[in-house]
Amino acid sequence: EVQLVESGGDLVQPGGSLRLSCVASGFTFSSYAMTWARQAPGKGLEWVSSISGGGSGTYYADSVKGRFTITRDNSKNTLYLQMNTLRVEDTAVYYCVKRSLAGTYYFDYWGQGTLVTVSS
Amino acid sequence: QSALTQPASVSGSPGQSITISCTGTSSDVGGYDYVSWCQQHPGKAPKLMIYDVSKRPSGVSNRFSGSKSGNTASLTISGLQAEDEADYYCCSYAGNSVYVFGTGTKVTVL
Repeated sequence: EVQLVESGGDLVQPGGSLRLSCVASGFTFSSYAMTWARQAPGKGLEWVSSISGGGSGTYYADSVKGRFTITRDNSKNTLYLQMNTLRVEDTAVYYCVKRSLAGTYYFDYWGQGTLVTVSS
Repeated sequence: QSALTQPASVSGSPGQSITISCTGTSSDVGGYDYVSWCQQHPGKAPKLMIYDVSKRPSGVSNRFSGSKSGNTASLTISGLQAEDEADYYCCSYAGNSVYVFGTGTKVTVL
């Protein structure tokens, strides 16, 4: 059974930093691209960032480019999102998402999410 | 990277069929047959319902179907049931490993 468990969400002041983690199980982690998506309170989903299975390819939404960094440690089956220079508008539930097989372009499993609140 | 446009809400009575539209551009919906749909109940994580425009994952009811014409994709729920009441989001591949979600549609079962 695929499981994605996020952690690291917290209350942080504007301009601050936070690192999110996602521990994966139930599949061969290194074989799959992974994604972070977010959902602001009462709002819709937003794609944030993706990383290839090996970690060499990273991709970002314009809204976070230059401030967020996605990485992965395949030896630990863990996905990370380093978030710097946080803004009030980054407040959201952040989801760890598994992409399906290579050559496919959809997300087949989602974690339960971790809440990031940016406020003074 | 503008969000795909969905109606804010759609409603129907039990047993009826409803259709949710998802409008993008030739750079996303119209450019690729990689539109997916997910269902989200309040306080829960999204669940994949349709992928590659019209394919259903194992375990998803055949009451859910998808289609696409030009820059607009659609999700149809037939034989509407109370358990279908949820938010629905489309998602499209937009090239270069970039994805875009729809604005979301709240489905209400009357």
